[in-house]
Amino acid sequence: GNSVTQMEGPVTLSEEAFLTINCTYTATGYPSLFWYVQYPGEGLQLLLKATKADDKGSNKGFEATYRKETTSFHLEKGSVQVSDSAVYFCALSDLASKIIFGSGTRLSIRP
Amino acid sequence: SAVISQKPSRDICQRGTSLTIQCQVDSQVTMMFWYRQQPGQSLTLIATANQGSEATYESGFVIDKFPISRPNLTFSTLTVSNMSPEDSSIYLCSVESPSDTYNEQFFGPGTRLTVL
Repeated sequence: GNSVTQMEGPVTLSEEAFLTINCTYTATGYPSLFWYVQYPGEGLQLLLKATKADDKGSNKGFEATYRKETTSFHLEKGSVQVSDSAVYFCALSDLASKIIFGSGTRLSIRP
Repeated sequence: SAVISQKPSRDICQRGTSLTIQCQVDSQVTMMFWYRQQPGQSLTLIATANQGSEATYESGFVIDKFPISRPNLTFSTLTVSNMSPEDSSIYLCSVESPSDTYNEQFFGPGTRLTVL
């Protein structure tokens, strides 16, 4: 079945460091791919998405490219801020409109 | 986008009781979803609720434990029945984007449930 595997956390970085959170998926067909973010005490928000191979989703300085050849959708940011501290979920949407989430990666940024 | 509200935002309940969580959307949507997020865990889909039909439950979830209502296109309820401490979780509803064709979902703020 469809599944999402993402980098285990927690990840702790210093402010202005480069961030990569790895995500790979298993799916039949051509799923849409998402990164969701959950800030402390808040609900789940869509961070970015990509709907076909080689699409790049971007938002708030974060980027992720849909790589069909490696079945990956790694999240990157060139310079993280303290306000980026949150839990990040990689996810895919299958043909039945169900979203399958990865396990989540907790990111903490030190000032 | 869709604006989703949930009530209550949090509750502390006694073992053996039931709690009904409400989800309200500001636009008409066909599909609504209910998820559970256990402490420190990812989100797990409980069921899909379409208006005018019975909810479709995922493996491991049953209607007797999690009855769902979907009386119209903007509202749904999830009841957590005969609660035990293992039901302590955040419960979230979500809706599929009404205009997007790429299966994007918007999530409510969640209901944080603690069962003593």
